[in-house]
Amino acid sequence: DAKTTQPTSMDCAEGRAANLPCNHSTISGNEYVYWYRQIHSQGPQYIIHGLKNNETNEMASLIITEDRKSSTLILPHATLRDTAVYYCIVRVVSHGQNFVFGPGTRLSVLP
Amino acid sequence: DTEVTQTPKHLVMGMTNKKSLKCEQHMGHRAMYWYKQKAKKPPELMFVYSYEKLSINESVPSRFSPECPNSSLLNLHLHALQPEDSALYLCASARAGSGDEQYFGPGTRLTVT
Repeated sequence: DAKTTQPTSMDCAEGRAANLPCNHSTISGNEYVYWYRQIHSQGPQYIIHGLKNNETNEMASLIITEDRKSSTLILPHATLRDTAVYYCIVRVVSHGQNFVFGPGTRLSVLP
Repeated sequence: DTEVTQTPKHLVMGMTNKKSLKCEQHMGHRAMYWYKQKAKKPPELMFVYSYEKLSINESVPSRFSPECPNSSLLNLHLHALQPEDSALYLCASARAGSGDEQYFGPGTRLTVT
């Protein structure tokens, strides 16, 4: 699986959009980009994933660059409950295969 | 039911004890996972079960013994653990086919004394 790099930490004001970047310059053509988050003392929570097109769901939007070497997770209106560690993972979609979690970005949403 | 449950929530055990962690899901998922997470570190994969068969063992010491008695249940049997095995143990499941996002349980906080 390709390696990802993310900023160690970020701050965001409550009510503003949180834009979390992820670099995955060695991504292969059949690897998807996944985002998970982990709120303190809870299990990780799936947010969104995509291959090459931008994706949106009720939680967030995922913007993938045309060359697929980087992506951005957007939380449109961050709340205090969005404070968490956000993990960007790239992997082949194949049943029973593993996820490799990197260090992630610690997002702090400030009042 | 979109929940993965884990019991117990907390466990304290001595180095000579034998204990088991339990994970359950009723989403019809056919892949189940055990992860270990130390404080301030990302989760690390330990085992993967696919259709009730062990498909990945990430070189985990034999004092950790997984078991998948049926498609809804996953156990992790613990024996002769060391204090450095103290961690949050997370279970996850995923459906068969593409997409394959994992659903995680809340974890069991294990302390080895």
